[in-house]
Amino acid sequence: ILNVEQSPQSLHVQEGDSTNFTCSFPSSNFYALHWYRWETAKSPEALFVMTLNGDEKKKGRISATLNTKEGYSYLYIKGSQPEDSATYLCAFNGQNFVFGPGTRLSVLP
Amino acid sequence: KAGVTQTPRYLIKTRGQQVTLSCSPISGHRSVSWYQQTPGQGLQFLFEYFSETQRNKGNFPGRFSGRQFSNSRSEMNVSTLELGDSALYLCASRETVIGTDTQYFGPGTRLTVL
Repeated sequence: ILNVEQSPQSLHVQEGDSTNFTCSFPSSNFYALHWYRWETAKSPEALFVMTLNGDEKKKGRISATLNTKEGYSYLYIKGSQPEDSATYLCAFNGQNFVFGPGTRLSVLP
Repeated sequence: KAGVTQTPRYLIKTRGQQVTLSCSPISGHRSVSWYQQTPGQGLQFLFEYFSETQRNKGNFPGRFSGRQFSNSRSEMNVSTLELGDSALYLCASRETVIGTDTQYFGPGTRLTVL
């Protein structure tokens, strides 16, 4: 059974702080790593799809890096805003999608 | 394009009953996956259908089944409901089954089993 882990489980930061969280996944049979943002009462929203070792993706204040050899990805949020409050999920795509448990981010104004 | 739609949005059933949930993917998407989310658990993969064929199945009992129609719409059925089946059920569609294809999620069906 594939195991995808995320840390920390939850995080509280002040508005303006920068933060990052980790997704760990198996380094074998890797096809892609997906990041999603899931706000309360909404559907998970795709942020990034990453495929190559060393990949870096950026969307506004959010960026992500990928290390397929050691099996981890980092998601960074620069200058957190209250609207960034959500659960951030990573999903390892091998045979099928395996989601991590998520990191719940709360940004306090 | 319209997004992924799921019906019904909320459902209350009693133990022993069966339930059918429906998912309409984004137009042109041929893959539909189903997930279960319970409190304290991440998204648990149920199954994926592509071009009317079940492509992958997660570790769920045989009470959970699904199918996909020629228009890519999918249904999920749970028979002999148990209290533990109370959960949010999400479906997601993507164009193909290539690893880099993004999954787009529907709003979910909240199932409560009494």
